[in-house]
Amino acid sequence: DAGVIQSPRHEVTEMGQEVTLRCKPISGHNSLFWYRQTMMRGLELLIYFNNNVPIDDSGMPEDRFSAKMPNASFSTLKIQPSEPRDSAVYFCASSLGREAYEQYFGPGTRLTVT
Amino acid sequence: AQTVTQSQPEMSVQEAETVTLSCTYDTSESNYYLFWYKQPPSRQMILVIRQEAYKQQNATENRFSVNFQKAAKSFSLKISDSQLGDTAMYFCAFMKPIVNDMRFGAGTRLTVKP
Repeated sequence: DAGVIQSPRHEVTEMGQEVTLRCKPISGHNSLFWYRQTMMRGLELLIYFNNNVPIDDSGMPEDRFSAKMPNASFSTLKIQPSEPRDSAVYFCASSLGREAYEQYFGPGTRLTVT
Repeated sequence: AQTVTQSQPEMSVQEAETVTLSCTYDTSESNYYLFWYKQPPSRQMILVIRQEAYKQQNATENRFSVNFQKAAKSFSLKISDSQLGDTAMYFCAFMKPIVNDMRFGAGTRLTVKP
């Protein structure tokens, strides 16, 4: 089993540029989560999808952030325009749902905005 | 809102000894899930153990076990026979089923010394 796949692993971009992070969940999992981890705020849930439908996006910081899940095997998190304060590690996680709620995390994308 | 508190920012233990990491949470729910995740320097989030609130029996996974005290809202992790590879950040997490909203504590940095 490949686990949750994220790309890129590292991203360095300049302020104002668009950034797109990608995630492929574990096959068969029907819930997908995007988290942000920083030293100041720890792990924060940004948004999660159930069966490709966004359920709760209350954690999305502002309109510069958007997320999509066009099918069961792919999701994107986009930041446009990016700002230095967006620098963080972004994790994607997936879970089977129903009675198996544990989430399995991808390796994360370390984003640096200069 | 659910909150998760890990009161020990850092801990250390000698190799082969036992260490206990503390976690308390606040909720009015009766049915929920609790997890411990490990984040080594590679930053990968790894599920260590899970506990369902409706189960009275404490979960165990090899050298890892929990002490779940529902009335006290306490969920501590015991690591027996500590190994150098156990050096990592450990996060306690709370989740309500169906809602899928997982909340993490601030983490405890554990160092296993040779």
